[in-house]
Amino acid sequence: AQRVTQPEKLLSVFKGAPVELKCNYSYSGSPELFWYVQYSRQRLQLLLRHISRESIKGFTADLNKGETSFHLKKPFAQEEDSAMYYCALGLWGGGYNKLIFGAGTRLAVHP
Amino acid sequence: DAGVTQSPTHLIKTRGQQVTLRCSPKSGHDTVSWYQQALGQGPQFIFQYYEEEERQRGNFPDRFSGHQFPNYSSELNVNALLLGDSALYLCASSSPGEQYFGPGTRLTVT
Repeated sequence: AQRVTQPEKLLSVFKGAPVELKCNYSYSGSPELFWYVQYSRQRLQLLLRHISRESIKGFTADLNKGETSFHLKKPFAQEEDSAMYYCALGLWGGGYNKLIFGAGTRLAVHP
Repeated sequence: DAGVTQSPTHLIKTRGQQVTLRCSPKSGHDTVSWYQQALGQGPQFIFQYYEEEERQRGNFPDRFSGHQFPNYSSELNVNALLLGDSALYLCASSSPGEQYFGPGTRLTVT
């Protein structure tokens, strides 16, 4: 079965500290992984996708197929990074596409 | 482009009633998906519409149904509401390999 697991409900750090939000997935095929972010009172928006291999707002994520993980990292957290972060597995096929989300991790960055 | 829009923003219904939620996709998008996000959970896929037909469905009962119109806008209908249907309902429209989300409709069932 396809599943996404985010083991931490809350991650609390101080400004300037490194951040790692964990994500593990279960999928027998070739995965396509995403990180979505939801800032307070804003809609869910795409942060980054593994196939782009880009850094957005200082965040990076590397797909590790051996460990079935897609952890989100940032070397120096900023207060404006405080938000809900969702890891998602994209399933495309047969002309359809859907996302399977983890339960989310709330990142709180303190001054 | 306002992006994906949804109406209404909030809705309160009583158990047993029926509800209709609406979604307009981002300009240029022809595919609409609906997700349910219960409190403290990630969004769960309900179904997807393309060319006015349901193309894929998640693990939701038949009480959840939908429709897509020729202009690509979509409706989500839920019959015989249960307390457990209280959630944020998200609409997403797609470009290849990416989904753009609306702000959601908060449904409260009392």
